[in-house]
Amino acid sequence: GEDVEQSLFLSVREGDSSVINCTYTDSSSTYLYWYKQEPGAGLQLLTYIFSNMDMKQDQRLTVLLNKKDKHLSLRIADTQTGDSAIYFCAEWTGGSYIPTFGRGTSLIVHP
Amino acid sequence: NAGVTQTPKFQVLKTGQSMTLQCAQDMNHNSMYWYRQDPGMGLRLIYYSASEGTTDKGEVPNGYNVSRLNKREFSLRLESAAPSQTSVYFCASRAGTGNKDEQFFGPGTRLTVL
Repeated sequence: GEDVEQSLFLSVREGDSSVINCTYTDSSSTYLYWYKQEPGAGLQLLTYIFSNMDMKQDQRLTVLLNKKDKHLSLRIADTQTGDSAIYFCAEWTGGSYIPTFGRGTSLIVHP
Repeated sequence: NAGVTQTPKFQVLKTGQSMTLQCAQDMNHNSMYWYRQDPGMGLRLIYYSASEGTTDKGEVPNGYNVSRLNKREFSLRLESAAPSQTSVYFCASRAGTGNKDEQFFGPGTRLTVL
């Protein structure tokens, strides 16, 4: 079945760039998402990329997609303490009702 | 729009007690989902409803039942709670009409079973 893998933790200093990586197995994925979960809250969509794109930039966020290696990354420039959260990678295949989520990466930002 | 709402926010049960977690969405979405979140396990799908009138099992359905009461509401019932069901429960909804079709999540219900 489909699988989405992420490392569990990432620690960075405030002002540095953060790169959160994700690998997936389903080559027919249509959309790939990044969700952010702040402490005590539900998940919120941060950004997404369609499978025919290689890159998407949105202010401090850059998403890179390597379809050949089935690798997705989220880069946060100038990371702030407010970026501390759990980041979930998810993929969705058109025609399926169920997105597949990774286990989430806890980003810890040190002052 | 309130989005996805869940009640209650917190609940403590004793082993063997029953309860129903409520979820409602006001976005006219077709699909609704129940997940549980445990440390290090990410999100695990309990049940989902692709459209009004249908429900299907997810990855971890044992010990739970669901009802898609109408298009807006999707409830999760624990008939006889067990300590292993201590978790944070999230309801989500999705338009189910294609395009980027993201899921929208509720704020969660934090359940402790003693």
